[in-house]
Amino acid sequence: AQKVTQAQTEISVVEKEDVTLDCVYETRDTTYYLFWYKQPPSGELVFLIRRNSFDEQNEISGRYSWNFQKSTSSFNFTITASQVVDSAVYFCALSEAKRNTPLVFGKGTRLSVIA
Amino acid sequence: KAGVTQTPRYLIKTRGQQVTLSCSPISGHRSVSWYQQTPGQGLQFLFEYFSETQRNKGNFPGRFSGRQFSNSRSEMNVSTLELGDSALYLCASSLLPYGTGGGETQYFGPGTRLLVL
Repeated sequence: AQKVTQAQTEISVVEKEDVTLDCVYETRDTTYYLFWYKQPPSGELVFLIRRNSFDEQNEISGRYSWNFQKSTSSFNFTITASQVVDSAVYFCALSEAKRNTPLVFGKGTRLSVIA
Repeated sequence: KAGVTQTPRYLIKTRGQQVTLSCSPISGHRSVSWYQQTPGQGLQFLFEYFSETQRNKGNFPGRFSGRQFSNSRSEMNVSTLELGDSALYLCASSLLPYGTGGGETQYFGPGTRLLVL
């Protein structure tokens, strides 16, 4: 069965530090999609990135970068030079392409960036 | 383009009452999914609708139901509310349903915070 594990429950960093949020997934499908969402205190889940299982290229978007490694079933998220506005709960999620199963989320990592 | 909207944003009910939550998807999106978020259980899938049909349902009791209208707007209903139903209910929309092979990205609304007293 599909599963997403975010082992870090809470992380606290000082502004301008780099921080990496870990995500490990389990799936039996060869075609799947991985997502990261940000949930600020307002509650809305904000879509950050979608990556399919055939594309292992790392991606960078401004201060955000993602490292996808199929060999370790990980899809880690790094924020460079963190800012207070990055404080939120971050969720990693998995969608299997062939099975009629919904998006499965990890438990989330609460990131606090201290000024 | 307007995002997913949910009404109401906050709701207080008492045990035994029923509640209806509404979700308007992004224009052009035909799939709507509902999730329940609680501190203990995290984000749990409730159900998904596409073209007015429920395609899948999560592991929730029959007190939780939903429907989708021809304009893709969706409602979910919880009858005979229990204290444990207190949660943030999130609606998400996508162009197509999940499971169609394309790994559709779901876009979420701000949620409805339900408190059951």
